[in-house]
Amino acid sequence: DTGVSQDPRHKITKRGQNVTFRCDPISEHNRLYWYRQTLGQGPEFLTYFQNEAQLEKSRLLSDRFSAERPKGSFSTLEIQRTEQGDSAMYLCASSFSVSTGELFFGEGSRLTVL
Amino acid sequence: GEDVEQSLFLSVREGDSSVINCTYTDSSSTYLYWYKQEPGAGLQLLTYIFSNMDMKQDQRLTVLLNKKDKHLSLRIADTQTGDSAIYFCAESINTNAGKSTFGDGTTLTVKP
Repeated sequence: DTGVSQDPRHKITKRGQNVTFRCDPISEHNRLYWYRQTLGQGPEFLTYFQNEAQLEKSRLLSDRFSAERPKGSFSTLEIQRTEQGDSAMYLCASSFSVSTGELFFGEGSRLTVL
Repeated sequence: GEDVEQSLFLSVREGDSSVINCTYTDSSSTYLYWYKQEPGAGLQLLTYIFSNMDMKQDQRLTVLLNKKDKHLSLRIADTQTGDSAIYFCAESINTNAGKSTFGDGTTLTVKP
């Protein structure tokens, strides 16, 4: 399967702990996006990379959140000192920059903060 | 700023047509998209339309774009129970700008 894969699919953690999510995009895609989705809402943009460069970050991305894409392939999203409000589905998507902008999504990583 | 609005729920009978509506605020939207999300799955692109088009048809799907009113619709002909899902409208101002902005989704329920 050459789709976008995310790991872990589910993470339950206690408030104050750090968590890290990984995303492996479609191999030929040079853009990678992180979105957050809460119940009953659409995906909210967090950040995106073109190759290894992080080109835009949303105001939603507080300083407890950090994302990296060190070699322009997979990406990690780390949340430090998790809060209950961080509970959400974290979606990764990839695309090719010379395209109509359609996004290819992974199945998401669900975070539950107790 | 960018804002995308959709009605939350739609219920139809199997075999009927479904029409899902969306309004957006940014007149500089370049591409508009419809994504489908089934339970437990990620979003999947169904179709898209470029802002200089009024209509696009793709098998059972018809997209209509009214730029003056900033209104987008998705018509699904001969709706099947497998079409039950959440449908998201999204806009992208410039594909070089990277991100898309999504509505909150319309839950389509198809009754047999």
